[in-house]
Amino acid sequence: DAMVIQNPRYQVTQFGKPVTLSCSQTLNHNVMYWYQQKSSQAPKLLFHYYDKDFNNEADTPDNFQSRRPNTSFCFLDIRSPGLGDAAMYLCATSRGEVGRQPQHFGDGTRLSIL
Amino acid sequence: TQLLEQSPQFLSIQEGENLTVYCNSSSVFSSLQWYRQEPGEGPVLLVTVVTGGEVKKLKRLTFQFGDARKDSSLHITAAQPGDTGLYLCAGVDGNTGKLIFGQGTTLQVKP
Repeated sequence: DAMVIQNPRYQVTQFGKPVTLSCSQTLNHNVMYWYQQKSSQAPKLLFHYYDKDFNNEADTPDNFQSRRPNTSFCFLDIRSPGLGDAAMYLCATSRGEVGRQPQHFGDGTRLSIL
Repeated sequence: TQLLEQSPQFLSIQEGENLTVYCNSSSVFSSLQWYRQEPGEGPVLLVTVVTGGEVKKLKRLTFQFGDARKDSSLHITAAQPGDTGLYLCAGVDGNTGKLIFGQGTTLQVKP
C-alpha cells in the first residue's frame, strides 16, 4: 500500500549529539511536512517542502534543519539536541497546493534524549 | 495568528455514553479536518468538512461545520473502548494552506 514511512520508530540520542530522522513516501506527493508533537499535545509544524522549495516556520529553532534530496525522501536533522527536543516527530505529505488536499501522516519517530 | 480552541482537553466516560468535542475560532477556515491518533501512531484523517453548515456522518461519529466556518463539533454516539484516542481538529488557513491544530481531546472510554 502507498504510505508514509518513518524510520526509525524510536530513536535515542545523547544530549548534544546530532541526530537524523528520515521519512519516505510512495504517494508521489509534492508537499512534505515535519511536525513536532509533545505528549497529548497537537502537532506543531516545523517546516515544509513544496516541491523543492523549503519553507521554515518563524518559530522553528535554528537547531532544526531539513533536507529533501528527491520527491520520495525527506530528512529532519537536529544538530545539537537538547532535553526539550524529546518528542514525537511526525512526517506528513499532501499533493497539489499546500492545504488543498488532506495530509497523510506517518506513524512518527519518538525521540528520546539522554 | 489564527487559533483553534478545542474542548474538552480530557474526557473519560463509560462505554455506551455519548459525547461531543468542540472546536471554536474567531477566524474563518476554508475547510476543517478531524483526525484521530492512537498512542504511538500518526494522526489518521477521519473527515474533512468544507461547506458552512455541513454535516457528515461516519458510523457513530457525526461532524458538523458551523455556518460561518469558524467552528466545528464531533459527536460520538454510544462510545466504545475502541474509540479511545486523541482527537484533533485542524482548520486549513485559507491564505497559507497550513493546518491550524486545536489542542486535542484525549478520550478514554472505559468498558
